[in-house]
Amino acid sequence: KAGVTQTPRYLIKTRGQQVTLSCSPISGHRSVSWYQQTPGQGLQFLFEYFSETQRNKGNFPGRFSGRQFSNSRSEMNVSTLELGDSALYLCASSLDPALNQPQHFGDGTRLSIL
Amino acid sequence: AQSVTQLDSQVPVFEEAPVELRCNYSSSVSVYLFWYVQYPNQGLQLLLKYLSGSTLVKGINGFEAEFNKSQTSFHLRKPSVHISDTAEYFCAVGTGTASKLTFGTGTRLQVTL
Repeated sequence: KAGVTQTPRYLIKTRGQQVTLSCSPISGHRSVSWYQQTPGQGLQFLFEYFSETQRNKGNFPGRFSGRQFSNSRSEMNVSTLELGDSALYLCASSLDPALNQPQHFGDGTRLSIL
Repeated sequence: AQSVTQLDSQVPVFEEAPVELRCNYSSSVSVYLFWYVQYPNQGLQLLLKYLSGSTLVKGINGFEAEFNKSQTSFHLRKPSVHISDTAEYFCAVGTGTASKLTFGTGTRLQVTL
């Protein structure tokens, strides 16, 4: 069974640009969550999508947004990039974490802002 | 709101020695607890989880953890570590649902010969 796939693995952008990251969950998983990992702040929850609806949201500005498609694939968008957005962005999928099914993580997209 | 504390940022240990990585949490409601491992340039891999039931949880790669409600702890243990266990270990807590995890700051386990 294929794992969680995130594309691209690496991305370099400049301040002010926008970026879209993609996540394909494990087949059959309907929930996709996004996390930001930085050396200073650690792992922080961004948001969770379930059946194309945002079900949970962390404490990030509105520049961070996401969506989920009918096939459960998810995209995360960051607009007006700032230097502080440099991070590893991790996607996790689950059958349904509301039923306490654990999350399975992809290898992440490393975003560098110049 | 919940929080997770991993007191040890780094734990050096010799191969074949036992190890314990400490995790304490705070929450006013029932929690679900997880340990994840992260190898360099990779995502997080689930080691084990506590949802309910037996407080001693066994996971992959010979790891186990014990949920202690009175001490609000969920320490990770392995009786004999291997070089390949060198990685970053994260404790995480979920409340209500397991969809919004709060992670600790991680413990770097360094296994040497």
